[in-house]
Amino acid sequence: NAGVTQTPKFRILKIGQSMTLQCTQDMNHNYMYWYRQDPGMGLKLIYYSVGAGITDKGEVPNGYNVSRSTTEDFPLRLELAAPSQTSVYFCASSYSTSSRLNNEQFFGPGTRLTVL
Amino acid sequence: GQSLEQPSEVTAVEGAIVQINCTYQTSGFYGLSWYQQHDGGAPTFLSYNALDGLEETGRFSSFLSRSDSYGYLLLQELQMKDSASYFCAVRDRSNDYKLSFGAGTTVTVRA
Repeated sequence: NAGVTQTPKFRILKIGQSMTLQCTQDMNHNYMYWYRQDPGMGLKLIYYSVGAGITDKGEVPNGYNVSRSTTEDFPLRLELAAPSQTSVYFCASSYSTSSRLNNEQFFGPGTRLTVL
Repeated sequence: GQSLEQPSEVTAVEGAIVQINCTYQTSGFYGLSWYQQHDGGAPTFLSYNALDGLEETGRFSSFLSRSDSYGYLLLQELQMKDSASYFCAVRDRSNDYKLSFGAGTTVTVRA
């Protein structure tokens, strides 16, 4: 199992450009998440999905869009890149949501994005 | 919403014990998780506490007191490879599928 994979690893964008960050998991997890992590900070949830065709906003969704057409893939779209979107983006997935069970999230290696 | 507080930095020597505290405020607490993140790497899961008490996994232990809205991660027999950031994260009834992360504690282990 590859786990959670993300592409690209690094990207530099100019202000106003668009791009899609790819995320794929092969663990058959229903739940997938996108986070951003600014230097020295914790993880902020951008969007999440509880299954194919179902997505919802997290804490910081402005400037981003997502889709979930399959269980495996959860791409994140930046439409008009801004310097404030310079960050490291992590995709994650998890299996269980039972409150008594461990909801361990498995993270991809991240995409380091710079907007100039 | 949720808020979590943890110390920003801790420094200790090899072989020592470090305790990272986490206090939280939530409207409907489910459980407290801990994640480790090495510099430049992805977060990886360490532990999850839904009930009061101590959970031990090798050199790492995690404790939860629901009545005090408090938990801690205990790192024993510190090794250089334990130098990393450690995040507590809360599951909450109003955000059942999601985790809210603290800002993280950077642990530096010195020889």
